[in-house]
Amino acid sequence: QQQVKQSPQSLIVQKGGIPIINCAYENTAFDYFPWYQQFPGKGPALLIAIRPDVSEKKEGRFTISFNKSAKQFSLHIMDSQPGDSATYFCAALKGGSEKLVFGKGTKLTVNP
Amino acid sequence: DAGITQSPRHKVTETGTPVTLRCHQTENHRYMYWYRQDPGHGLRLIHYSYGVKDTDKGEVSDGYSVSRSKTEDFLLTLESATSSQTSVYFCAISGTGDQPQHFGDGTRLSIL
Repeated sequence: QQQVKQSPQSLIVQKGGIPIINCAYENTAFDYFPWYQQFPGKGPALLIAIRPDVSEKKEGRFTISFNKSAKQFSLHIMDSQPGDSATYFCAALKGGSEKLVFGKGTKLTVNP
Repeated sequence: DAGITQSPRHKVTETGTPVTLRCHQTENHRYMYWYRQDPGHGLRLIHYSYGVKDTDKGEVSDGYSVSRSKTEDFLLTLESATSSQTSVYFCAISGTGDQPQHFGDGTRLSIL
């Protein structure tokens, strides 16, 4: 059973567009939701994270929107650039657990 | 970058041979994790450690064993490698179980 469902699998946008990646979860015990960015040949790198007590968090051009009642969260990339082309993973962590649960990833391509 | 070194970075071996992958950290973090990454599956937890000699299983632990005799080193062993274990393996570390995990750059393992 997949605990965190991520969509879409792949996404192509033009430079300056606003790609949106969505994740949904079932377990209401999750209380920490990070996003990771991965470039080819590299490990995932923490991009931004949110806890359920806030509905939105911004860091630079990256924004997480969180809808606790719908059990969904999403990543928005403002003014996307070709350098943002990477694979993005959402994840969730249950309070008291040490194990992150990852979505299956979204490959983003930003065309010049 | 978090001080994480994975070795080797690439390895090709034959079915039935033993393989050991090493993760070395310079951050003195308590938690260390081994993941595998496969297309369409995202990142899946194999084993993790919450201290020297303290380890636990993850989602896909069959066929793998781990050891941690020092804080800085976490070893992943495939006792008898199979082709289904061809994958990219990532090590991650965190200070506590609910802190962000930081990843190494991975080991690409091919089993022929």
